[in-house]
Amino acid sequence: DAGITQSPRHKVTETGTPVTLRCHQTENHRYMYWYRQDPGHGLRLIHYSYGVKDTDKGEVSDGYSVSRSKTEDFLLTLESATSSQTSVYFCAISVTETDTQYFGPGTRLTVL
Amino acid sequence: AQSVSQHNHHVILSEAASLELGCNYSYGGTVNLFWYVQYPGQHLQLLLKYFSGDPLVKGIKGFEAEFIKSKFSFNLRKPSVQWSDTAEYFCAVNAHSNSGYALNFGKGTSLLVTP
Repeated sequence: DAGITQSPRHKVTETGTPVTLRCHQTENHRYMYWYRQDPGHGLRLIHYSYGVKDTDKGEVSDGYSVSRSKTEDFLLTLESATSSQTSVYFCAISVTETDTQYFGPGTRLTVL
Repeated sequence: AQSVSQHNHHVILSEAASLELGCNYSYGGTVNLFWYVQYPGQHLQLLLKYFSGDPLVKGIKGFEAEFIKSKFSFNLRKPSVQWSDTAEYFCAVNAHSNSGYALNFGKGTSLLVTP
């Protein structure tokens, strides 16, 4: 398995609170991604990064922001969590934008 | 709209039965194709991938897939399933669009293998 960790692995929070999820990799891959997984929707891309301080939006970016200050860390922030953001969040990494993406273990987030 | 379609949302098979999961996509140009598996409570793991060359690709755990360019299809097969193959299977297509390259997923097929 690729060296990807996510923290926390589980989180329960209340509507309106800020939440930050962390993805950490030990593979030195250039590309990092955040997806959310919801029943019946598969995986949908939230944001991705193609280098330190280089990020771009994905399909479902509203309500989320990201930051990447180091190659190994990619943070996903929900500025003000809503119940619609209850989901399982997966981080992924890849060497290039067309290469295989390897996924982290996921974070289950519940917003009450 | 460009998309990845997995035809079967839920499949139930008995052990030793053969499996074929359909995947079609609507992206033009060069694509890279993937099948991922997600065992209950776990993350996505790569089963197999196709970038170029022989359109019949073999993956882990006895799975294989065939890329048929004319049909925009990349179907997953296994001759004889085991109980341990119970999982969700995702087809994914990496394709270029106006906003660059992206990995686009189908909605998944849930496979239940009964003893």
